[in-house]
Amino acid sequence: GQQLNQSPQSMFIQEGEDVSMNCTSSSIFNTWLWYKQDPGEGPVLLIALYKAGELTSNGRLTAQFGITRKDSFLNISASIPSDVGIYFCAGQRSAGNMLTFGGGTRLMVKP
Amino acid sequence: DSGVTQTPKHLITATGQRVTLRCSPRSGDLSVYWYQQSLDQGLQFLIHYYNGEERAKGNILERFSAQQFPDLHSELNLSSLELGDSALYFCASSFGASGNTIYFGEGSWLTVV
Repeated sequence: GQQLNQSPQSMFIQEGEDVSMNCTSSSIFNTWLWYKQDPGEGPVLLIALYKAGELTSNGRLTAQFGITRKDSFLNISASIPSDVGIYFCAGQRSAGNMLTFGGGTRLMVKP
Repeated sequence: DSGVTQTPKHLITATGQRVTLRCSPRSGDLSVYWYQQSLDQGLQFLIHYYNGEERAKGNILERFSAQQFPDLHSELNLSSLELGDSALYFCASSFGASGNTIYFGEGSWLTVV
């Protein structure tokens, strides 16, 4: 089963709005990643975080590695229709361990 | 395009049958990972190979097996298929064996009827 709690499970927003989603765990992770999956395609890596407290941006996307190492956040600013998809967080406890994925946040954007 | 190639893209087969899914990693990548994605279980790690050797096993059933060949492509073999094996099977690759920054293929849709 999944060990990462991702919320919200789904969001339906208006184009132009900002979006926030997060991922929490009862365990510490040393690496956090955020992926986006479009229908019928594989997850695409958006942002990778390697250090507690790290804040990294990729265009309109910003992700943060929580100080406690038990959570991570993804923000999307000024959403556009092509932001639609499922966003997954993933954590890795240490190098060589496999990724654990959250359950995903389904984002829907109304033009 | 991630550079990871998976075939076939879609497959429909009957219960009890055996199928083989194929993956070619990105050029230069030595690691191949297999994941299963189903509606109720999300993305589940199955197995990891690095340069031909098995490195880690996750929630992979005994009816499933995999291997990585000298040319670094990998195959996932699923046998005695059950209805519950219907899912998207993803292959991912990375250069090293650290297992974090991995790149996914487009997946193989398996439907067992």
